[in-house]
Amino acid sequence: EAQVTQNPRYLITVTGKKLTVTCSQNMNHEYMSWYRQDPGLGLRQIYYSMNVEVTDKGDVPEGYKVSRKEKRNFPLILESPSPNQTSLYFCASSHLTGLNTEAFFGQGTRLTVV
Amino acid sequence: AQSVAQPEDQVNVAEGNPLTVKCTYSVSGNPYLFWYVQYPNRGLQFLLKYITGDNLVKGSYGFEAEFNKSQTSFHLKKPSALVSDSALYFCAVRDKGYGQNFVFGPGTRLSVLP
Repeated sequence: EAQVTQNPRYLITVTGKKLTVTCSQNMNHEYMSWYRQDPGLGLRQIYYSMNVEVTDKGDVPEGYKVSRKEKRNFPLILESPSPNQTSLYFCASSHLTGLNTEAFFGQGTRLTVV
Repeated sequence: AQSVAQPEDQVNVAEGNPLTVKCTYSVSGNPYLFWYVQYPNRGLQFLLKYITGDNLVKGSYGFEAEFNKSQTSFHLKKPSALVSDSALYFCAVRDKGYGQNFVFGPGTRLSVLP
């Protein structure tokens, strides 16, 4: 089954404690991206990647890191989480054969930083 | 700059009645438009997309969307709403001039009342 898998689904952590949210896709997609969803703001892009070892900042990259060492994986790293990073996070992937390809989303990770 | 607006935070409709969820967009080139739906505690699911061709696009679960270039709109419609259609709906545009990234609107919450 084609899917994007995020882990964990729920996470409560304390300020400053490094964490990683994993994302994996099994569709051989070139493009992967991380979004955060906040009420009234929709989805805002954090980072994206066009292919292995190619990453770039989205609209709200501050406080986040990513890596793309393998095509299927795109982890999101919070080196020193802060309460303003409490949010719902989504990973997405798609082909880059053209702008007409839709993105597939993971189930989401609800992060709370206290 | 590319942007997507969804002018209504909330849309309420009675079961069996037609529904419309509005979306307007702004892009630099040809628009590649998408609708996604988010059910509670789930990721975003693709509904339909407009690339070129017919202005009326049919998608999943009986939804359709009407593209209007002169009004830069892409409204989501369904002839007869179901209670199970209650969810959060996002309009998105994919822009070549934006690294092929998706830009999402803020979302519209649809409530279908029995």
